[in-house]
Amino acid sequence: SAVISQKPSRDICQRGTSLTIQCQVDSQVTMMFWYRQQPGQSLTLIATANQGSEATYESGFVIDKFPISRPNLTFSTLTVSNMSPEDSSIYLCSVFKGYGQYFGPGTRLTVL
Amino acid sequence: GNSVTQMEGPVTLSEEAFLTINCTYTATGYPSLFWYVQYPGEGLQLLLKATKADDKGSNKGFEATYRKETTSFHLEKGSVQVSDSAVYFCALSPVYSGGGADGLTFGKGTHLIIQP
Repeated sequence: SAVISQKPSRDICQRGTSLTIQCQVDSQVTMMFWYRQQPGQSLTLIATANQGSEATYESGFVIDKFPISRPNLTFSTLTVSNMSPEDSSIYLCSVFKGYGQYFGPGTRLTVL
Repeated sequence: GNSVTQMEGPVTLSEEAFLTINCTYTATGYPSLFWYVQYPGEGLQLLLKATKADDKGSNKGFEATYRKETTSFHLEKGSVQVSDSAVYFCALSPVYSGGGADGLTFGKGTHLIIQP
């Protein structure tokens, strides 16, 4: 398995601002993923972030809104840009390691 | 595209009852299938998986069998406990992903409540 931490665990932000979420893994992994879980909804994949290449975004998500960095094999960031109340969600990072995909504890974002 | 459908919740059972949470999927080929569990106040945990037809995944008394003919992956447990109260998510990974090395498609989740 993998131990994954995220910062911040929660935040309340104003409309129009940006927030960067950090994801740290306790071991080197090739594949990292970012998901969103809107209130009362399931998880939706935002993008796949592999070290050394551009992130691959799913339909409905764009780099200008959700820029991602992956500077090394244990760390990634997701920025939620120009936020609106519709961006209020839990954002989770995950990694693929061995048996399957393992998730961080999530970042609960509220946009006012 | 790929999709996962789970039974709506909440599902309320008494302790020691038999549990079934239904999950069906739509995907091309043979995706890998997963069950995740989210206990109150905790993160998402991988419960079990199956990567090919007729495989049975099992963990902590839970089981699920990959049924290609019915495109299903129902979660079962013979005798539930209060500590099993949680939200359960069914998920799939595309056939080319090698068992989870690609983005997952999740069902909406089933909230399970076990009463003493």
